[in-house]
Amino acid sequence: DAKTTQPPSMDCAEGRAANLPCNHSTISGNEYVYWYRQIHSQGPQYIIHGLKNNETNEMASLIITEDRKSSTLILPHATLRDTAVYYCIVRVDAGNMLTFGGGTRLMVKP
Amino acid sequence: DTEVTQTPKHLVMGMTNKKSLKCEQHMGHRAMYWYKQKAKKPPELMFVYSYEKLSINESVPSRFSPECPNSSLLNLHLHALQPEDSALYLCASSRHNSGSYNEQFFGPGTRLTVL
Repeated sequence: DAKTTQPPSMDCAEGRAANLPCNHSTISGNEYVYWYRQIHSQGPQYIIHGLKNNETNEMASLIITEDRKSSTLILPHATLRDTAVYYCIVRVDAGNMLTFGGGTRLMVKP
Repeated sequence: DTEVTQTPKHLVMGMTNKKSLKCEQHMGHRAMYWYKQKAKKPPELMFVYSYEKLSINESVPSRFSPECPNSSLLNLHLHALQPEDSALYLCASSRHNSGSYNEQFFGPGTRLTVL
């Protein structure tokens, strides 16, 4: 699976959009981009995934660049409960392995 | 029921003890996973079970012994652990072992301390 690069930490004001970037310049054509988050002392939680089109669900939006070498997870109106470590993972959809990188520690501040 | 449950929540054991961690899901998922997470580090995959058969062992030491008695249950048997094995042990499940929309659902974890 392709390696990902994320900033180690970010801050966001409550109520504002949180934009979390991820670089995956070595991504292959059959690899998907997955996002999970881990709130302190809990297990990771699936957020969203995509292949090449932008995706949106009730939690977030995923924007993937046209060359697929980077993506951005958008939390449209961040709340204090969104404070967590966010992991961007690239994996072949036919596989079942999740390889977590360092992630981004998002701190939402009042 | 959309939960993965893990028991116990906390476990303290000595290096000569034998203990087991338990994981349960009732979502009809046919793939189950064990991860280990050290403090301030990302989770690391240990084992994958697919249709109750061990399909991936990430070179885990034999003092960790997984077992999948049925499609809803996953155990991790612990014996002769070392203090460096102290960590959060996470269980996860997914519908299948491959394919689209195959997101993994995680339990809250068991925090293990080896003295």
